[in-house]
Amino acid sequence: NAGVTQTPKFQVLKTGQSMTLQCAQDMNHEYMSWYRQDPGMGLRLIHYSVGAGITDQGEVPNGYNVSRSTTEDFPLRLLSAAPSQTSVYFCASSYSGGTWGYTFGSGTRLTVV
Amino acid sequence: RKEVEQDPGPFNVPEGATVAFNCTYSNSASQSFFWYRQDCRKEPKLLMSVYSSGNEDGRFTAQLNRASQYISLLIRDSKLSDSATYLCVVIYNNNDMRFGAGTRLTVKP
Repeated sequence: NAGVTQTPKFQVLKTGQSMTLQCAQDMNHEYMSWYRQDPGMGLRLIHYSVGAGITDQGEVPNGYNVSRSTTEDFPLRLLSAAPSQTSVYFCASSYSGGTWGYTFGSGTRLTVV
Repeated sequence: RKEVEQDPGPFNVPEGATVAFNCTYSNSASQSFFWYRQDCRKEPKLLMSVYSSGNEDGRFTAQLNRASQYISLLIRDSKLSDSATYLCVVIYNNNDMRFGAGTRLTVKP
């Protein structure tokens, strides 16, 4: 049981490049979310999904797209990377959302130069 | 004003000490409450849920006061391994988690 798997663990992008951060879970969780963590600001919700085919925006969605074609996968796409998107990105999943909390992946450290 | 506010610390305590962290939240529609622990350069991990009746897990006690919109975490008999950042988390509508910025704890020998 791998839990929540994120790839890559580290990435350096040039301004303007695009890329996809991968997230997969093998726990059959319906709820999945993407967060970014910046120093002194806590984690902030980018996008979330309550099931396959359903996604919605969180607090800081600009510059990011998501899709949920299967229950297992929830990729995050950076459309045109900017230095302000330098951050640590965490994917999380949950069986029931608010009742039992979320399980996090190990994170992707992204630097945009 | 942030939706979830925590004292950032750092809290530096000796082994065996009792330490308490506090957290306030601004949205009275909040549904669920948790404390997460995050080690340096690692992902957050669920420590415990927080209920109005209070709940205890070994040396850890969590309490929620809905009227005051206040959450607390008490750690008794601190261990070196308790050194970490503790995140207060509030959930709306099952899928919107709001995090405090975290309180950093260092337990020293």
